[in-house]
Amino acid sequence: GESVGLHLPTLSVQEGDNSIINCAYSNSASDYFIWYKQESGKGPQFIIDIRSNMDKRQGQRVTVLLNKTVKHLSLQIAATQPGDSAVYFCAETPNRDDKIIFGKGTRLHILP
Amino acid sequence: SQTIHQWPATLVQPVGSPLSLECTVEGTSNPNLYWYRQAAGRGLQLLFYSVGIGQISSEVPQNLSASRPQDRQFILSSKKLLLSDSGFYLCACSHAGIPGYTYEQYFGPGTRLTVT
Repeated sequence: GESVGLHLPTLSVQEGDNSIINCAYSNSASDYFIWYKQESGKGPQFIIDIRSNMDKRQGQRVTVLLNKTVKHLSLQIAATQPGDSAVYFCAETPNRDDKIIFGKGTRLHILP
Repeated sequence: SQTIHQWPATLVQPVGSPLSLECTVEGTSNPNLYWYRQAAGRGLQLLFYSVGIGQISSEVPQNLSASRPQDRQFILSSKKLLLSDSGFYLCACSHAGIPGYTYEQYFGPGTRLTVT
């Protein structure tokens, strides 16, 4: 569901290591999923998307994995860099309508 | 590709004062438009969305209202601001439901509102 009123969990990762950010979605009928990155003071930016007929999709340094059995989505970032510091939100389209539902977000903190 | 403009970027308003935030979209037509609010360190709350001129759907009860006077213009208003209206307001657009388009939403830079 929507992440109103919840403080964001934090993931701390050493620079150069891989990051894995997880998300549980709510509706088994959702057929499209998106990961967004939001840097401090800015609007969310699209990272990567995946349709429900896929279980993996790769982009530049990022991979999204979808497990429909357990309604779980993950974002993997390879060789994490300082510029990856941000809040990451997953989003789903549960009703095939005009709205998408955002997950609660995870703050990624990069350790030097 | 579309570009979303929001202004002002920051705003400090006293309790009880009116509010008007504007969002305009360039580079596309007939978009779905959305207003979100984000409290500090928290997630996104959908406030309003619009699928066309004059068509507004409200997601949560509140003292805010939205209007869409033109295809690519979306306005968020209040007659009297409350302290709880402070937050980061984001405008977004999409073409969800139109063949050939995904459900992806594109976001503007946001307006940070502080009600004092």
